[in-house]
Amino acid sequence: KQEVTQIPAALSVPEGENLVLNCSFTDSAIYNLQWFRQDPGKGLTSLLLIQSSQREQTSGRLNASLDKSSGRSTLYIAASQPGDSATYLCAVSRNDMRFGAGTRLTVKP
Amino acid sequence: NAGVTQTPKFQVLKTGQSMTLQCAQDMNHEYMSWYRQDPGMGLRLIHYSVGAGITDQGEVPNGYNVSRSTTEDFPLRLLSAAPSQTSVYFCASSYGQLSTDTQYFGPGTRLTVL
Repeated sequence: KQEVTQIPAALSVPEGENLVLNCSFTDSAIYNLQWFRQDPGKGLTSLLLIQSSQREQTSGRLNASLDKSSGRSTLYIAASQPGDSATYLCAVSRNDMRFGAGTRLTVKP
Repeated sequence: NAGVTQTPKFQVLKTGQSMTLQCAQDMNHEYMSWYRQDPGMGLRLIHYSVGAGITDQGEVPNGYNVSRSTTEDFPLRLLSAAPSQTSVYFCASSYGQLSTDTQYFGPGTRLTVL
């Protein structure tokens, strides 16, 4: 059974800092990995999707990497801003989509 | 496009009552799914559909029914509500199959079962 883990569960950083969020999964036989953002009381917004054949994807200040063989992905956020405060979830897909519990990020002004 | 819409936003039920959570999308997506999100846990898949007339079970299907009579709509039915079904429910859709396409999520329905 696929297990997805995100560490840390919560992270607080000062504005302007670069940061890395971690995601690990137990079964490397995946089709893709997605990173989502969830604001309080809201649905999920897809940030980046990495296909299993890819190593990384970039969108603006966000960069996601995938190491399928080791079962790890990272989400790098450059020059963090208070507006980046949210919960970030990763999810892996094969027959279905399995989510981690998320990392709650707070960026302090 | 309205994207993925869900109604109601909030609902309180008594144990044993039944209800239907509505989900609709206007993007002509084939794939639709229902998840529940509980505190401290990731989203868990309840049921999914790869097209009109086709549904299948996810990780936690017990106590829930679905049907897909049209491409646009994918309602989730709670047959006899239990306190363990207190959760936030999300509907999602994607253009193609789950394995390759970006998922679009609705805003969620917060359900409390007393």
